[in-house]
Amino acid sequence: DTAVSQTPKYLVTQMGNDKSIKCEQNLGHDTMYWYKQDSKKFLKIMFSYNNKELIINETVPNRFSPKSPDKAHLNLHINSLELGDSAVYFCASSPGETNTGELFFGEGSRLTVL
Amino acid sequence: SQQGEEDPQALSIQEGENATMNCSYKTSINNLQWYRQNSGRGLVHLILIRSNEREKHSGRLRVTLDTSKKSSSLLITASRAADTASYFCATDKGSNYKLTFGKGTLLTVNP
Repeated sequence: DTAVSQTPKYLVTQMGNDKSIKCEQNLGHDTMYWYKQDSKKFLKIMFSYNNKELIINETVPNRFSPKSPDKAHLNLHINSLELGDSAVYFCASSPGETNTGELFFGEGSRLTVL
Repeated sequence: SQQGEEDPQALSIQEGENATMNCSYKTSINNLQWYRQNSGRGLVHLILIRSNEREKHSGRLRVTLDTSKKSSSLLITASRAADTASYFCATDKGSNYKLTFGKGTLLTVNP
């Protein structure tokens, strides 16, 4: 069983479109994250949610809107896509503040904006 | 600003050799973690070392931490072709909600 699953795995779209990436974890974790990995493999945190509450928003443009309907799901909606949004987006989860800090990652969603 | 910086950026070795990767960071940390990423896949946690620990082992992995120098090293002994991957260090500054990753070391193990 996949612990952290995200869909779609690949997404190719035109500039200006709106797209969503979905993430689900079946680990019972309290905290979920979105990370962006650029073409040079640099991984940067975008958002983190704990029990459906936004904890971290790392100065991400407001075209990016995360939504957490419950603590097992964290979706990412992106409006008005730009070329610079092309990247691999990783969802991750962790048990929460009392844990060791280990993150469990999904397999990534590769977004290509043309 | 980026917290962890791995060194070297790329490392190519022969199977059976040891591989050493280093990570430097700038501010005080609670713990430091190492992750592995195979090409086209997600990151997988390898090992965590706390700020009050100096060395930790897990199978063929050995991690050291020198808080006075703000640096860590990951040693993979008796490397295998399957160890070919990118390796990242990640640090937290007191919050488990935010891990900051370095740029990674691409390790290639040639059969």
